[in-house]
Amino acid sequence: ELKVEQNPLFLSMQEGKNYTIYCNYSTTSDRLYWYRQDPGKSLESLFVLLSNGAVKQEGRLMASLDTKARLSTLHITAAVHDLSATYFCAVDFIIQGAQKLVFGQGTRLTINP
Amino acid sequence: NAGVTQTPKFRILKIGQSMTLQCTQDMNHNYMYWYRQDPGMGLKLIYYSVGAGITDKGEVPNGYNVSRSTTEDFPLRLELAAPSQTSVYFCASSFFGSRGYTFGSGTRLTVV
Repeated sequence: ELKVEQNPLFLSMQEGKNYTIYCNYSTTSDRLYWYRQDPGKSLESLFVLLSNGAVKQEGRLMASLDTKARLSTLHITAAVHDLSATYFCAVDFIIQGAQKLVFGQGTRLTINP
Repeated sequence: NAGVTQTPKFRILKIGQSMTLQCTQDMNHNYMYWYRQDPGMGLKLIYYSVGAGITDKGEVPNGYNVSRSTTEDFPLRLELAAPSQTSVYFCASSFFGSRGYTFGSGTRLTVV
């Protein structure tokens, strides 16, 4: 079964603090995506991770991928209110030659002043 | 440079009515997808297509139908709408093996 699991599902944190969101997946893949979604909006692509050990950083967000552990992390450094949103990881699975993107449940992040 | 265009943006249906959600992409992508997102949840795959004339079921296909007569268009048909189909529907497209997906802006559907 193709499963992608995120934790935590809800995260409330103070501005200035650091935290990490975890994304585990069930079956071999070396292609993982992180998206941001604001209420009532579509998905905004944050990171594309394409190989084991990939690390990407943009501002206060950093994402990494460990394909052997089937684990990706999204690390938030010195959080600011503007980062409040729901964050999704999604994994590309190639099953019987077809490419499917499977999403995690999402992590709703609230950053308090 | 339109990307993926979905219409309509909002729709209210009565139970038992039918409708078609439209999705068009102008990037010549071979793969297209339909997802639904229930409130506070992740996206679940309804149907996908690997090219014109070829479609297959995703995780939650019941109550929906699709067709792909052209590379550009991938409409999603709801027959006999039910309250359980109240959701936000997203269409996406991609090249096989590419480095990203393009999502539409979504269609917010309410069935009453």
